[in-house]
Amino acid sequence: NAGVTQTPKFQVLKTGQSMTLQCAQDMNHEYMSWYRQDPGMGLRLIHYSVGAGITDQGEVPNGYNVSRSTTEDFPLRLLSAAPSQTSVYFCASSSYGTNQPQHFGDGTRLSIL
Amino acid sequence: SQQGEEDPQALSIQEGENATMNCSYKTSINNLQWYRQNSGRGLVHLILIRSNEREKHSGRLRVTLDTSKKSSSLLITASRAADTASYFCATDKASYDKVIFGPGTSLSVIP
Repeated sequence: NAGVTQTPKFQVLKTGQSMTLQCAQDMNHEYMSWYRQDPGMGLRLIHYSVGAGITDQGEVPNGYNVSRSTTEDFPLRLLSAAPSQTSVYFCASSSYGTNQPQHFGDGTRLSIL
Repeated sequence: SQQGEEDPQALSIQEGENATMNCSYKTSINNLQWYRQNSGRGLVHLILIRSNEREKHSGRLRVTLDTSKKSSSLLITASRAADTASYFCATDKASYDKVIFGPGTSLSVIP
C-alpha cells in the first residue's frame, strides 16, 4: 500500500508566490491533518478534516487554506508565501478519533526566499 | 502553548542501556500516543495509552500514564543503535478532533 503520499518532496518559492502541497491517502481514512515542523518546536497542527467537505483550524492556521472534496485528498494552499512559512510540512491520516494511530507522509521541505 | 512537553530534549546513551523519556501535559486527555521519527522521515506510531490505563507494553517499549500528575513516560529497554531517532508524545485535549504534539526528545544510542 502507498499509505500517505505527499508531493512535492522539496520546493523553493519566492516571497509572495502561491503553491499547493498535495496529500493523498489510500486507506479510506476519514481524518486528515496538516502539520508543520520547525526546529525545537515539534509538530504544530495547521488544519484538519474529519471527513469530505469538513475542515477546521488547528494551532497555526494563518496563511494557509485547505479543502477536502474527496476522502482521499487533502491539499494545503499557501496563497502568498512568506519566509516565516519555511518549514517541513507533514500530512497525516487516520480513522476518525484521537484514539487512532496517525499515518504520516514523508514530508514536503519548503523554503521561502 | 503546546499540550505536551517532552523531557529531556536530548538524551545520549550506550547501546544496551535503557532510555526513559517523559511527557507532561496541561489539560485532561482521552488518549496519549507516542511516535518515533527517523531523520528525514515522517512520524511512525509506536503505542497508544488511554486515560483509564496506567501501563502498556509493546515489545521493548513500556509506557506509563499518571493522569493525576498529567504525565507519561516511555521506556525503551536494551536500546539499540537503530533506536536513534526523535520521540514525540501526542495528546488530545479531551476532544476527538485534535491531536497535538510535543517538541520531542532526540535520542542517540551509541554503539
